[in-house]
Amino acid sequence: EPEVTQTPSHQVTQMGQEVILRCVPISNHLYFYWYRQILGQKVEFLVSFYNNEISEKSEIFDDQFSVERPDGSNFTLKIRSTKLEDSAMYFCASSQLAGVNNEQFFGPGTRLTVL
Amino acid sequence: LAKTTQPISMDSYEGQEVNITCSHNNIATNDYITWYQQFPSQGPRFIIQGYKTKVTNEVASLFIPADRKSSTLSLPRVSLSDTAVYYCLVGDIKTRDDKIIFGKGTRLHILP
Repeated sequence: EPEVTQTPSHQVTQMGQEVILRCVPISNHLYFYWYRQILGQKVEFLVSFYNNEISEKSEIFDDQFSVERPDGSNFTLKIRSTKLEDSAMYFCASSQLAGVNNEQFFGPGTRLTVL
Repeated sequence: LAKTTQPISMDSYEGQEVNITCSHNNIATNDYITWYQQFPSQGPRFIIQGYKTKVTNEVASLFIPADRKSSTLSLPRVSLSDTAVYYCLVGDIKTRDDKIIFGKGTRLHILP
């Protein structure tokens, strides 16, 4: 069964450093998403991406964040100048169709720890 | 998205049927009801979706009464591996609103 993959599984970085989280969505999917989950809290939407541009972003997704689909398979989330409060699980998701009622397939997540 | 209310946590024993009820009093005509499951340290996973009456798949059943103001996710004969957080979502199938807004969900703990 096709699945979304994410690398690395765990990233440790120093405050102020830049990190890039990588995702490989399911191959025939057209819509891509990033969510994050701070330990013990809700899963929060960050951004959705379609046709090489951002469709929607949340208040969390400020200028510190950017997304890119550099080639036909990868989808990346870049966090510039990381802060302690960026420590969280980051989940990538993809879907074949748009709309919240269409199944989104989530990856296993990247645990980001900012020291 | 319609507001949903579900229990914060539930405990059950292996082999029992578990029913998790979600209230969505202001559900709109075009809204569908979707449930996701999240195991510890994993991403959420779609379980089931329905509009009215009953839907069943290999994982669960979803019961929706005629007024659609609530829905019940039913997990038959649970095992320890069903310990997870279960999220009830209600959304309009006709909008292009792509984001999923997760609530706190119901933390289900299966005991041996």
